[in-house]
Amino acid sequence: AQSVTQPDIHITVSEGASLELRCNYSYGATPYLFWYVQSPGQGLQLLLKYFSGDTLVQGIKGFEAEFKRSQSSFNLRKPSVHWSDAAEYFCAVKGIGNKLVFGAGTILRVKS
Amino acid sequence: DTGVSQNPRHKITKRGQNVTFRCDPISEHNRLYWYRQTLGQGPEFLTYFQNEAQLEKSRLLSDRFSAERPKGSFSTLEIQRTEQGDSAMYLCASSSLQAGSGNTIYFGEGSWLTVV
Repeated sequence: AQSVTQPDIHITVSEGASLELRCNYSYGATPYLFWYVQSPGQGLQLLLKYFSGDTLVQGIKGFEAEFKRSQSSFNLRKPSVHWSDAAEYFCAVKGIGNKLVFGAGTILRVKS
Repeated sequence: DTGVSQNPRHKITKRGQNVTFRCDPISEHNRLYWYRQTLGQGPEFLTYFQNEAQLEKSRLLSDRFSAERPKGSFSTLEIQRTEQGDSAMYLCASSSLQAGSGNTIYFGEGSWLTVV
C-alpha cells in the first residue's frame, strides 16, 4: 500500500533562513507526488507537483522540491523563508484509484 | 474559475442529529473527492466520484455516511446520527480528466463539523 512519511512534526526556522521539509514515500510504480500547504482553519493549497521528467520542480511562493527515486524522497525547499510561510505542509502521493495519500504534516514556525 | 466551493464552512450540531455538507467543484471537473481531516493529521480519503458515479468508498465511510453527486456537478455528504467522533474538517476536492491536467487535485476550504 502507498504511504507517506514526514519525519518532522514541527520545524522552526528564522525568517530569511533556508528551509527543507522532508518527505519519504512508499509506492511501487513511478509516483505522482505533491506538496500542499494549509493555513489554520483553511483548505489545502497546491504548492507543486511531480509527475515525470525533470526531478527538480518549481512551485509557487518560491518553493521547489527534488524527487530522488533512489531515496524515495521528495523534499521541499525554500532558500529564504518569510514570516507568511508559517503554516502546515503536507506531502502526498497519488495511489491506486486516483486518491491522494497524505503524510501527517509538518508545522512550520518562523521566528523573527 | 472560482475554485472548489464548500458550505457551510462551520457546523455545530448535537449528537444524534443529521448534517449535510455541499460541495461545488471547479467547473467541468469530472472527478470529485471527499476527505476527512482531524486535528494533527493529514487528510484521509473517504470517497470519490467520476461524473455521477461513485467509484470508490473508504472503509472510513460507515453506513451513517452517504455521498451523492446526482447530476455529475455538485455533491453532498450527509452524516446521519452524528457522533462526537465525527467532529472533523470535511474537505472536498476536484480534478479533471483532460489530457495535460496531470489529474491535479484541487481542494476547497473545508467544512468544519463540531458534534457536541
